[in-house]
Amino acid sequence: EAQVTQNPRYLITVTGKKLTVTCSQNMNHEYMSWYRQDPGLGLRQIYYSMNVEVTDKGDVPEGYKVSRKEKRNFPLILESPSPNQTSLYFCASSLSLEDTQYFGPGTRLTVL
Amino acid sequence: GENVEQHPSTLSVQEGDSAVIKCTYSDSASNYFPWYKQELGKGPQLIIDIRSNVGEKKDQRIAVTLNKTAKHFSLHITETQPEDSAVYFCAAMGNYQLIWGAGTKLIIKP
Repeated sequence: EAQVTQNPRYLITVTGKKLTVTCSQNMNHEYMSWYRQDPGLGLRQIYYSMNVEVTDKGDVPEGYKVSRKEKRNFPLILESPSPNQTSLYFCASSLSLEDTQYFGPGTRLTVL
Repeated sequence: GENVEQHPSTLSVQEGDSAVIKCTYSDSASNYFPWYKQELGKGPQLIIDIRSNVGEKKDQRIAVTLNKTAKHFSLHITETQPEDSAVYFCAAMGNYQLIWGAGTKLIIKP
C-alpha cells in the first residue's frame, strides 16, 4: 500500500531533550516536506527536500533540522525542544513540487 | 513572497445546500492552486486542484474557479452531505513551496 508513515504518533517530552520524528514513504517520491499545524495558522512548512542530499528551509525552520540521506526517509530533528514547538507535525511527499502531496498521519508533540 | 488568505474560517450549511470557500493570493506568478480536505485525526488529502491555464475545473460535486486577474480562487461544493464535514485548506504555489491558507471548518447541519 502506498503510504507515508511517521513515528511516533504521540510524544510528550521535556525542554531540551533531543528527539527525532521519523518519516518514510514507499512511493519513490522526489519531494518531501515537514509541516507544523497550529490552530488558526493552517499548515506552515518547516523544511523541504527536492531530492536526496538537497534540503531547504521553509517558513518556520528555527529550532529544527532535517536530513535526506535516502530517498524514502526524511527525519525531523529537534536538538533542544522548547514549549513553543508543541504542535501537530505532518510529513508529506510528492512526485514533484506541483503534484499531489501525500501526508502522513501526523505526530502530536508536547514539550513541557 | 506568496501570501494566501482564506475565508470564512467556519462555514455552517444545511445538508443538501451548497458551500463556497474563497481564497486570495498575492504572487501573480503563482500557477498551481490545490485544495485539501482534512478529516478529524488525519492528514490533509487532495480533493481538487487547478492550474493557471484554466478558469474552472469540476469533479462531480466539487468545483474550483480561478480568477487570475483578481488573484482569487474558490471551492464550490454542491449538494453537501454529512461526509463533507471537515477542514478545507487552499494553497498556492510560491517559490519552491506551497503556501497554505489558514483553513475553513465546514459543518453540515442535518
